[in-house]
Amino acid sequence: SAVISQKPSRDICQRGTSLTIQCQVDSQVTMMFWYRQQPGQSLTLIATANQGSEATYESGFVIDKFPISRPNLTFSTLTVSNMSPEDSSIYLCSVEDYSGANVLTFGAGSRLTVL
Amino acid sequence: SQKIEQNSEALNIQEGKTATLTCNYTNYSPAYLQWYRQDPGRGPVFLLLIRENEKEKRKERLKVTFDTTLKQSLFHITASQPADSATYLCALPPPGGFKTIFGAGTRLFVKA
Repeated sequence: SAVISQKPSRDICQRGTSLTIQCQVDSQVTMMFWYRQQPGQSLTLIATANQGSEATYESGFVIDKFPISRPNLTFSTLTVSNMSPEDSSIYLCSVEDYSGANVLTFGAGSRLTVL
Repeated sequence: SQKIEQNSEALNIQEGKTATLTCNYTNYSPAYLQWYRQDPGRGPVFLLLIRENEKEKRKERLKVTFDTTLKQSLFHITASQPADSATYLCALPPPGGFKTIFGAGTRLFVKA
């Protein structure tokens, strides 16, 4: 399986600021997925990031709020912009496992708390 | 829309017993179903995948069943250990796509 490094692991942020989360994979992958996991909730897909093209956002998520970069096949960033307390959540990066069947490998997640 | 339901209440069992977790889904017939484990402060880790034509799948102390008529999967951990304490997530592919959708998970506590 791919190994994913995600940082920061946690941060406390002030309302109105922005934070960029980095995701590094130890192998080249076509698609990288960004999920959000709010307390006690399921993982919700924010967007799919493909190298060389604009990210594809799911319903309820917009590029202005969650801009994504995908400069190469091993790296992606997710920015949470103009944060409010409602953005307090765990943000997870994931890729498809080599074995296919849409098995996902996840990073450890970035726990954001917005005051 | 597709919906996945897992028991939101935590499951507390004694070490050595069998833990059984339930995943129910509605509104479509997935080609397969996955189970993941998530520990606090960590991302989910894939455990098992069962396809629609498989009734049962086993891996060591884990067993998964898939009843496409009931639209339900059961996840069993036999001879449970305190190290099995974690949140277990059920996941499905959405119809016509490849983007996995997840249930909210069930928290399992195994007491020594």
